[in-house]
Amino acid sequence: QSALTQSASVSGSPGQSITIFCTGTSSDIGSSNLVSWFQQHPGKAPKLIIYEGNKRPSGLSNRFSGSTSDNTASLTISGLQAEDEADYYCCSYARSGAFVIFGGGTKLTVL
Amino acid sequence: EVQLVESGGGFVHPGRSLRLSCAASGFTFDDSAMHWVRQAPGKGLEWVSGISWNSGSIGYADSVKGRFTISRDNAKNSLYLQMNSLRAEDTAFYYCAKDMQFILTGAFDRWGQGTLVTVSS
Repeated sequence: QSALTQSASVSGSPGQSITIFCTGTSSDIGSSNLVSWFQQHPGKAPKLIIYEGNKRPSGLSNRFSGSTSDNTASLTISGLQAEDEADYYCCSYARSGAFVIFGGGTKLTVL
Repeated sequence: EVQLVESGGGFVHPGRSLRLSCAASGFTFDDSAMHWVRQAPGKGLEWVSGISWNSGSIGYADSVKGRFTISRDNAKNSLYLQMNSLRAEDTAFYYCAKDMQFILTGAFDRWGQGTLVTVSS
């Protein structure tokens, strides 16, 4: 099972919006709405920010939003803030092979 | 408060074994599937293995299949990972993660702080 594909890095200025894409196949992202996104700051455990494609955990800022279309998932962060600088990982349930696969991660830099 | 506390990591020579444990508290353990996710130093996240609430559904990454065994003891609120035939490429922080569902979905809503496994000669 190959990893999901994410761009290595993305950047934006405070207040701007950015979108991170995650590409998979019909066996994973395209097979269900079970796509999650995680934020990880250096030296910390990952934190769930989106689940089931577009749902936010309770208490999470609505600046974070997710969507899926065919075999691609996306994470949009609006109104960028300095504390959003982190690594972001997509994750999907996979219908064949391993149950769960991650993307390679995208490093977000807030300029 | 939900807590996941991993233990059992350490230094081991290639070919040897290690058993990781994860002690869970603050939630109904047998309501949730559980997983192990690892991260090599400076690298990305890699799902290792997952187990459903009643151990009826278990999965492994291809990289560990046949060498690692996941298990859980709902009476003890504990998750385990038996790692055999360890290789240098298994060196990583190993995280215990709670699924939002009782089946394997990949929506890990709680994570432990991780335990470091170092495999080296």
